Amino acid sequence: QSVLTQPPSMSGAPGQRVTISCTGSSSNIGAGYDVHWYQQLPGTAPKLLIYGNKNRPAGVPDRFSGSKSGTSASLAITGLQAEDEADYYCQSYDSSLSGYYVFGTGTKVTVL
Amino acid sequence: EVQLVESGGGLVQPGGSLRLSCEASGITVSNDYMSWVRQAPGKGLEWVSVLYSGGSTYYTDSVKGRFSISRDNSKNTLYLQMNSVRAEDTAVYYCARGGNDCTSTHCYTWYFDFWGRGTLVTVSS
Repeated sequence: QSVLTQPPSMSGAPGQRVTISCTGSSSNIGAGYDVHWYQQLPGTAPKLLIYGNKNRPAGVPDRFSGSKSGTSASLAITGLQAEDEADYYCQSYDSSLSGYYVFGTGTKVTVL
Repeated sequence: EVQLVESGGGLVQPGGSLRLSCEASGITVSNDYMSWVRQAPGKGLEWVSVLYSGGSTYYTDSVKGRFSISRDNSKNTLYLQMNSVRAEDTAVYYCARGGNDCTSTHCYTWYFDFWGRGTLVTVSS
């Protein structure tokens, strides 16, 4: 039922850069609603990573950055570290009749 | 420190009922907007319901008419009453607080800044 599309998996070596895309539509990201990102480490609850497209909550390393353009958004992880191996989800708000808060399909990031 | 602690999960038969609780500390649930988000085994996150501070409630289509979100201000606790449960309701249910942050030029909202650890609901005969 996810209306935001992400690549299922991505990988990179330690120190490399990984960019995760999140593609929506005119009723969510394209309508101007902000995009937020969450990190879910194995066996744990999701954690807010980026809010309002590009803002980091206190304690989130500046290796994580977000951007938004048109109907898509991106999360970049620079200087990839072993502890970044996790699932990442984008999230936005949808103005269509069938949805309110919508999540992306999720991306598993593997550190090689 | 904000803490959200879910409870009430377990095994329930199809068609049965269950009430989930989310006890909050460090925040006041009546002042914030609170949501339930679920995650089926091996699957992604799915928003379930939201309760705004003013009392408005909204649900994802698949649970409308079956689930009900509420809160007890005296106990600072959020609830999710689950009725007529189905196998597809099997998931870990997370309680999450809605975030708000304003700069000089823009206010950001409709995201979740604090999450509980979740409670597992299994619907099976």
